[in-house]
Amino acid sequence: EDKVVQSPLSLVVHEGDTVTLNCSYEVTNFRSLLWYKQEKKAPTFLFMLTSSGIEKKSGRLSSILDKKELSSILNITATQTGDSAIYLCAGITGTASKLTFGTGTRLQVTL
Amino acid sequence: GAVVSQHPSRVICKSGTSVKIECRSLDFQATTMFWYRQFPKQSLMLMATSNEGSKATYEQGVEKDKFLINHASLTLSTLTVTSAHPEDSSFYICSARDSTGGRDSPLHFGNGTRLTVT
Repeated sequence: EDKVVQSPLSLVVHEGDTVTLNCSYEVTNFRSLLWYKQEKKAPTFLFMLTSSGIEKKSGRLSSILDKKELSSILNITATQTGDSAIYLCAGITGTASKLTFGTGTRLQVTL
Repeated sequence: GAVVSQHPSRVICKSGTSVKIECRSLDFQATTMFWYRQFPKQSLMLMATSNEGSKATYEQGVEKDKFLINHASLTLSTLTVTSAHPEDSSFYICSARDSTGGRDSPLHFGNGTRLTVT
């Protein structure tokens, strides 16, 4: 059974801090790993990672995949209160192209 | 960017009635759409894969006669919760992938439907 595990489950930081969110996966015929940010409603896409060791960056967010360790990290630097959300990672299977989501990391950024 | 519209955003219904949720891709065609449900403080659980012009593929443990999926066109999939019960109360989210983007293009999500069965 495909499985995606995220840690920590929740995190409270002060504005300006840097955070690292972890995701490990056991996905059959793994193709890619995706990161999403979920606030009140639907998840919004952040990154898709297919190749190991290549960092993807978008503003203060960056992410990298380690296929040897079957894991990925999402970094957020200089956090802001608007970064408060649940961050989900998901693995895509190669055969069915469906996503298996982790339980998410709930990030709260305080002033 | 790609937009997926889901309707209604919130619905309250009585036990025993049926509820239909629509998922539309607004600026792209999607041969495949996915339906998820999410319980409070839990992750998204895939319920079924909706394929345009053919039967949906249901995940283990999901009753296909209870959760009817129809994908009649390249831009519309519907999920009907039949004979709803309080335990069906949940947050249902659809997602779609742009067919022209191939299997590696990311999924785009609708805003979800909060179903409450009383």
